Amino acid sequence: DAKTTQPTSMDCAEGRAANLPCNHSTISGNEYVYWYRQIHSQGPQYIIHGLKNNETNEMASLIITEDRKSSTLILPHATLRDTAVYYCIVRPISSNTGKLIFGQGTTLQVKP
Amino acid sequence: GAVVSQHPSRVICKSGTSVKIECRSLDFQATTMFWYRQFPKQSLMLMATSNEGSKATYEQGVEKDKFLINHASLTLSTLTVTSAHPEDSSFYICSASSAGERYGYTFGSGTRLTVV
Repeated sequence: DAKTTQPTSMDCAEGRAANLPCNHSTISGNEYVYWYRQIHSQGPQYIIHGLKNNETNEMASLIITEDRKSSTLILPHATLRDTAVYYCIVRPISSNTGKLIFGQGTTLQVKP
Repeated sequence: GAVVSQHPSRVICKSGTSVKIECRSLDFQATTMFWYRQFPKQSLMLMATSNEGSKATYEQGVEKDKFLINHASLTLSTLTVTSAHPEDSSFYICSASSAGERYGYTFGSGTRLTVV
């Protein structure tokens, strides 16, 4: 079973920031938080990951709460091409071969 | 970045025939690859873990004799859907672990299988 919960869907206006929350209250100290997205009929695409510090890359920012029980993915200036299903996943640090279990994700609709 | 190539992107086959889907890591070696299935409007469901040089590990409820997985090299895993039926029609996606923690897992572009 997935160890994360996310809202089913969200809307965002084009050009505005999209803030996607994720609850992972049972995360352990040796697990990363990963975010992927899946655009319709394509394979999932890596976005960002983090352990306990906030992270930023060219695609997004990841804010992890101090207790690590939740996180927020921020797309600073959403475009229509960001419309996708966003998945928040936890994965053990120690293994590059452990399974990735997907939950239902959040369907983000970016509107003009 | 790491690239995983999946082929074919879509295939239509007759009921009762077998279909092979290939998953290749193009610029890295993948000792472990994963196969997922996704039905319309649903999330990805892990089918099996493919380990180079050994038998695949199947998730509960996945028929290993129907979904044959071969991982003969560090860059290639194949999924063969045997004796396909219409209910096997789905979107099949592979993934492979890439070197280092930067990317985690890289996914193929998926294969749309339609059994008629």
